[in-house]
Amino acid sequence: DAGVTQSPTHLIKTRGQHVTLRCSPISGHKSVSWYQQVLGQGPQFIFQYYEKEERGRGNFPDRFSARQFPNYSSELNVNALLLGDSALYLCASSLRVPSGRVNYGYTFGSGTRLTVV
Amino acid sequence: AQSVTQLGSHVSVSEGALVLLRCNYSSSVPPYLFWYVQYPNQGLQLLLKYTSAATLVKGINGFEAEFKKSETSFHLTKPSAHMSDAAEYFCAVILYNNNDMRFGAGTRLTVKP
Repeated sequence: DAGVTQSPTHLIKTRGQHVTLRCSPISGHKSVSWYQQVLGQGPQFIFQYYEKEERGRGNFPDRFSARQFPNYSSELNVNALLLGDSALYLCASSLRVPSGRVNYGYTFGSGTRLTVV
Repeated sequence: AQSVTQLGSHVSVSEGALVLLRCNYSSSVPPYLFWYVQYPNQGLQLLLKYTSAATLVKGINGFEAEFKKSETSFHLTKPSAHMSDAAEYFCAVILYNNNDMRFGAGTRLTVKP
């Protein structure tokens, strides 16, 4: 079985541009979460989606948005890029029990390295 | 409020020595706890997880962690360090009333020959 796949693996953008990052979860996983990892820091939570609905949002500006598709894949969009948006963006997929509680941890993709110049 | 704190941003041990990486959580209700490892330019790999079963959890690559409610801790240990253990280690938590995973700042482990 394929793991969590993210594309592209690397990306260079100019300040002010827009970027779309993509993630395909493990087959059977219905929840996708996005994280930003700035060099030298721990991953910071951006969004969590389940069944195409946003279920959690971290402390990020409105320039960041995401969506989940019927096949449970997801896109993360960032508008008006800033130099500070340069980071590794990680996607994680997880099972979600009917009660809503995720208790099996997350499986992470290898990430998309975004460089804003 | 910080949900998980990792004490020590950098730990250095000799090959064959004990590895101890510290993690404390802040929650009145025991959360789910995880340790992940990250090698340079790679994603996160799950080492082990605590989900309210056994308090001593064994993971991959010889690592284990013990959940101590009285100390709100979930420290990661390995009896004998190997050069290949050099990496960044992250403690993470899923709180009882939440579903998203929150990470500590990470601890960089260096293994000296």
